[in-house]
Amino acid sequence: GAGVSQSPRYKVAKRGQDVALRCDPISGHVSLFWYQQALGQGPEFLTYFQNEAQLDKSGLPSDRFFAERPEGSVSTLKIQRTQQEDSAVYLCASRFTGEVYNEQFFGPGTRLTVL
Amino acid sequence: AQSVTQPDIHITVSEGASLELRCNYSYGATPYLFWYVQSPGQGLQLLLKYFSGDTLVQGIKGFEAEFKRSQSSFNLRKPSVHWSDAAEYFCAVGARQNDYKLSFGAGTTVTVRA
Repeated sequence: GAGVSQSPRYKVAKRGQDVALRCDPISGHVSLFWYQQALGQGPEFLTYFQNEAQLDKSGLPSDRFFAERPEGSVSTLKIQRTQQEDSAVYLCASRFTGEVYNEQFFGPGTRLTVL
Repeated sequence: AQSVTQPDIHITVSEGASLELRCNYSYGATPYLFWYVQSPGQGLQLLLKYFSGDTLVQGIKGFEAEFKRSQSSFNLRKPSVHWSDAAEYFCAVGARQNDYKLSFGAGTTVTVRA
């Protein structure tokens, strides 16, 4: 069984460009999370989906960040007009159900560098 | 809101020696607690978790952790370290009422010397 996959693994963007980061969760997983991990820091929660519903987007840093999961499987994190402070690793995780005692499985991340 | 502190940024340990990584949390009630490991280029992998019951938790790869409510701690231990244990380790806490959200510490990097 495949794990969580993310693409691209590396993305370099010029400041002001828009980027789209993709997450393919484990098949059948209801819950999906996005985290931002700055250099030397732990992951910071961005947003949470249960199926196609975005139940919490309180961690999104600004209105330039937008996430969607239209069919309840693949998710895309979009960052508009990228800024240098957006440089980080973006992690996606999925979980079989909504219950916290089930493990979150993490993808390898997308490293975004904004020049 | 819950938070996690990992006091040690970097630890160097000899192969075969014991390892202990510290984690302190801040939360008003009994939290959910987790330890994850992150190897270069890899995603975070769950080592172990605590929800309730026995305060000594066994995990994968020979790791264990002990929940101490009085000290608000959840320290990770391994009796004998292998070179493959070199990685970054993250402690995380989840609140019981917002049970989808995890708060992570800043991580501890472990270097294993031969």
